[in-house]
Amino acid sequence: TQLLEQSPQFLSIQEGENLTVYCNSSSVFSSLQWYRQEPGEGPVLLVTVVTGGEVKKLKRLTFQFGDARKDSSLHITAAQTGDTGLYLCAGVRETSGSRLTFGEGTQLTVNP
Amino acid sequence: NAGVTQTPKFRVLKTGQSMTLLCAQDMNHEYMYWYRQDPGMGLRLIHYSVGEGTTAKGEVPDGYNVSRLKKQNFLLGLESAAPSQTSVYFCASSFRTGARLNYGYTFGSGTRLTVV
Repeated sequence: TQLLEQSPQFLSIQEGENLTVYCNSSSVFSSLQWYRQEPGEGPVLLVTVVTGGEVKKLKRLTFQFGDARKDSSLHITAAQTGDTGLYLCAGVRETSGSRLTFGEGTQLTVNP
Repeated sequence: NAGVTQTPKFRVLKTGQSMTLLCAQDMNHEYMYWYRQDPGMGLRLIHYSVGEGTTAKGEVPDGYNVSRLKKQNFLLGLESAAPSQTSVYFCASSFRTGARLNYGYTFGSGTRLTVV
């Protein structure tokens, strides 16, 4: 059983559509990060959220940390083909020091 | 500014052979990690190190050994490769815990290993 459950696992949409990816857990995290990974490369950090209820925006991407710090969401407005990639959420539990626990990832394909 | 460099990028091994994956970082990060990435299973932590000369087991350490003789290098060894170790291996590094961890992990570009 994954500590962090991401949904959906796969998402294929048309350019210009909106989408939301979810990251859920029964555990509390001191911080949560979102990464994007492109084929043949390692994950690259997009954002870190640390406060319950926090909302961060990165251009067309909006990230939210749940009030109880157990879940997070990533919303993309007007998706573009360049948004295609594997999106990973990762959390730091208060008892795990610096070790990140990763979700399985959401493979997003944006079609022209 | 290289970040995290992994070598080699690709390797094919026969069952029972041994090899060492090399990871080097130039960001003066204290912590370093080895992950494997398999379809449908996400990134799983193999071993990690919180400083020069120290190592610790992650989620899936069996069949692997590591060493961190210098702060900037973290080596992952497979003593007797098995087909179940076919995977993509990623090295990462980070600052210590606390606010600086919010800068996240920096990952290398991976090593694709096939064991036949």
